[in-house]
Amino acid sequence: QKEVEQNSGPLSVPEGAIASLNCTYSDRVSQSFFWYRQYSGKSPELIMSIYSNGDKEDGRFTAQLNKASQYVSLLIRDSQPSDSATYLCAVNAQFVWGGSQGNLIFGKGTKLSVKP
Amino acid sequence: GAVVSQHPSWVICKSGTSVKIECRSLDFQATTMFWYRQFPKQSLMLMATSNEGSKATYEQGVEKDKFLINHASLTLSTLTVTSAHPEDSSFYICSASRRAETQYFGPGTRLLVL
Repeated sequence: QKEVEQNSGPLSVPEGAIASLNCTYSDRVSQSFFWYRQYSGKSPELIMSIYSNGDKEDGRFTAQLNKASQYVSLLIRDSQPSDSATYLCAVNAQFVWGGSQGNLIFGKGTKLSVKP
Repeated sequence: GAVVSQHPSWVICKSGTSVKIECRSLDFQATTMFWYRQFPKQSLMLMATSNEGSKATYEQGVEKDKFLINHASLTLSTLTVTSAHPEDSSFYICSASRRAETQYFGPGTRLLVL
């Protein structure tokens, strides 16, 4: 059973702080990793994708991937109240031989609350 | 780019009726479309995966005769909830991808069955 694990939170940080969201996955052959943001009552919105070990930065967001540890994280710098949402980690499901199945395996999400 | 629309955005229907939800990729050709369901305060649940021109693949526990999926073109997939009942009330979300790449989500459809 392929799994993606996230701390459900809520994670509460003050405005301006760095929010750190973590995710672990069980499928060692996974190649593609995604972070989605979902506001209450809305559908998920893609924030970042990452495919290689290391860091990937996009504005205030940095995704970090460590395939050896099967760990992916999302850092949000200078957190704003508008960042308050549930953040979903998603991993691309792979066939045993490595080819992509196309579907994503989602974690249950971490609820982030940024306090003014 | 990568815009996905859904119609309708919300629907209220009587128990026993059928409801059709459309999902369109507006600016790209989606080889694969996915249908999810999300109950309040719960995580996304994948219902089925559909590839253009072929039958949908349903997740375990999802009744294919109740949730009919048609992926007639590279830009349109439909989900029909047949003989809807109150327990089918949920937030239905589609996503689209091309060549097994990133999934882009539609805005979702809220279904309320009375």
